[in-house]
Amino acid sequence: EADIYQTPRYLVIGTGKKITLECSQTMGHDKMYWYQQDPGMELHLIHYSYGVNSTEKGDLSSESTVSRIRTEHFPLTLESARPSHTSQYLCASSGSGTGRLETQYFGPGTRLLVL
Amino acid sequence: AQSVTQLGSHVSVSEGALVLLRCNYSSSVPPYLFWYVQYPNQGLQLLLKYTSAATLVKGINGFEAEFKKSETSFHLTKPSAHMRDAAEYFCAVNLGGSQGNLIFGKGTKLSVKP
Repeated sequence: EADIYQTPRYLVIGTGKKITLECSQTMGHDKMYWYQQDPGMELHLIHYSYGVNSTEKGDLSSESTVSRIRTEHFPLTLESARPSHTSQYLCASSGSGTGRLETQYFGPGTRLLVL
Repeated sequence: AQSVTQLGSHVSVSEGALVLLRCNYSSSVPPYLFWYVQYPNQGLQLLLKYTSAATLVKGINGFEAEFKKSETSFHLTKPSAHMRDAAEYFCAVNLGGSQGNLIFGKGTKLSVKP
């Protein structure tokens, strides 16, 4: 059973507000990921981390930022939310295995609506 | 470049009927392939993965997938659909190297009629 948590599950917020989406995992996984998912579209990787103090941008350009100060915690921040940021954000983690063989475990997601 | 194509954004079957969800991939290296399922308002859950050990892979909930290199396919099947199988299904391929990053298809939404 994967133990990866995301809060909030749903967020409605006005344009210009700063928001932080929380993601935590209790599996001791080194690697963590943030994906953006729009209806009817594939998941796009926006950030990933190999471990503490390691963060990289993913395939899809995003105005969000991430940090990895603790192994278990990988928050995503939008300094000034805009309607174009409306989407579902999924957090995932995987162990320190041989890369391509690893299973990624996903959190339940945060649905963000920016008005 | 690696990519994944899922044919059919929406598949509808009757309860008890065969489920077939199609996935084709392109990869410059031997692929590692995954099927994930997403139930409404939930995250993705791993159904099964192909890691070159066997071409026919059995997963959870009665699903299985067969890797066919000649067809560059990894179709997902289940002999008899159940109402609880209604969900969205994503095929994914893992990039080469040590990153472990996944490239996802656009997903196929499965509906099951009583």
